[in-house]
Amino acid sequence: EPEVTQTPSHQVTQMGQEVILRCVPISNHLYFYWYRQILGQKVEFLVSFYNNEISEKSEIFDDQFSVERPDGSNFTLKIRSTKLEDSAMYFCASSEEKAGSNYGYTFGSGTRLTVV
Amino acid sequence: GESVGLHLPTLSVQEGDNSIINCAYSNSASDYFIWYKQESGKGPQFIIDIRSNMDKRQGQRVTVLLNKTVKHLSLQIAATQPGDSAVYFCAERMDSSYKLIFGSGTRLLVRP
Repeated sequence: EPEVTQTPSHQVTQMGQEVILRCVPISNHLYFYWYRQILGQKVEFLVSFYNNEISEKSEIFDDQFSVERPDGSNFTLKIRSTKLEDSAMYFCASSEEKAGSNYGYTFGSGTRLTVV
Repeated sequence: GESVGLHLPTLSVQEGDNSIINCAYSNSASDYFIWYKQESGKGPQFIIDIRSNMDKRQGQRVTVLLNKTVKHLSLQIAATQPGDSAVYFCAERMDSSYKLIFGSGTRLLVRP
């Protein structure tokens, strides 16, 4: 079964450093997403990406964050100047149609980001 | 299934029994609802979905019920198995939006 692949599985970084979280969506999917989950809390939407541009973003997704699809297969989330409160599990997802209507998203296994 | 911080509501069932997990969703304008299963250290895994023009949908061993009057969604799992132990989240979306809004989650524990 096709999978969304995320690397690394765990990233530890010092406060103030930049991190790039990487994702390889399912190959025929057109819509890409980043979500995060702070330990023990809800999964929260960050951003959706379609046709090489951001289609929707949440209040969390401020100027500290950016996304990019640098080639035909990777989808990245960059966090500039990380803060302690950025520590969370970050999930990439992809879908064949908009927001997984009648298909659901496929989520990756996540990258656990720890800011120290 | 509301929770505060780290304290997820927990449902403990005997293997073989049926499980019912409930969710109160937030937006009466939501068009689409999904149940996800999340095992420890993994991403959410799609279980079953339902659109707002339906009130019931059945899958293999799972049934989702939607009550729009009270903004309530439930997931029924028949003949619960140890492999069903996980945290279950409901999620909602409007057709005009790309984002899923997740509920707080319920932990299901299956006793052998």
